[in-house]
Amino acid sequence: AQSVTQLDSHVSVSEGTPVLLRCNYSSSYSPSLFWYVQHPNKGLQLLLKYTSAATLVKGINGFEAEFKKSETSFHLTKPSAHMSDAAEYFCVVTLDAGGTSYGKLTFGQGTILTVHP
Amino acid sequence: DTAVSQTPKYLVTQMGNDKSIKCEQNLGHDTMYWYKQDSKKFLKIMFSYNNKELIINETVPNRFSPKSPDKAHLNLHINSLELGDSAVYFCASSYYRSGRGGDEQFFGPGTRLTVL
Repeated sequence: AQSVTQLDSHVSVSEGTPVLLRCNYSSSYSPSLFWYVQHPNKGLQLLLKYTSAATLVKGINGFEAEFKKSETSFHLTKPSAHMSDAAEYFCVVTLDAGGTSYGKLTFGQGTILTVHP
Repeated sequence: DTAVSQTPKYLVTQMGNDKSIKCEQNLGHDTMYWYKQDSKKFLKIMFSYNNKELIINETVPNRFSPKSPDKAHLNLHINSLELGDSAVYFCASSYYRSGRGGDEQFFGPGTRLTVL
């Protein structure tokens, strides 16, 4: 079975300060992990993905995430928040080699990021 | 160019009616999915088709029936709509490689269904 827990339902930061969105996962096999972003009334856009290559993954818009197997974490960070980063962020897990998920994505509960001027 | 498109974008209907949502992808992917996003923004997979074959069928009422006429299209038909069906429905597509679990999925813009 696979699951993902986003540790914060809301994160509020000031523009120009760092962003940290926390995610822990559980998976019986080697997971693939993703972060998606959803702006209000929009679809989901892929920010970045981890698929067993480099543990530090760089994504779009200055975001990056580090896969830490020992901590079963995949936290999303950005050095300096921008007003346009305000959105809801989803940490997502799916199974890799040896799994039988058939591409099934399991979503976290989402973290709403608010950016203050 | 739209990669994954859904129609309609908004759907308002009465309880008991039957409605369909259509999805098309022009990415050449072989796998398509339907997700439901509830009022708390929680996303959960409903169905998945790989090359027109149903491969994921989560616990979804029988009133929901997916149909895939070809690998570029996946439609969702809902019979006897209920108030609890109100949600945003997202279509997605990806490549699926056996034993891997699939690549990242590309999502459509969503269909907001409101049942009155």
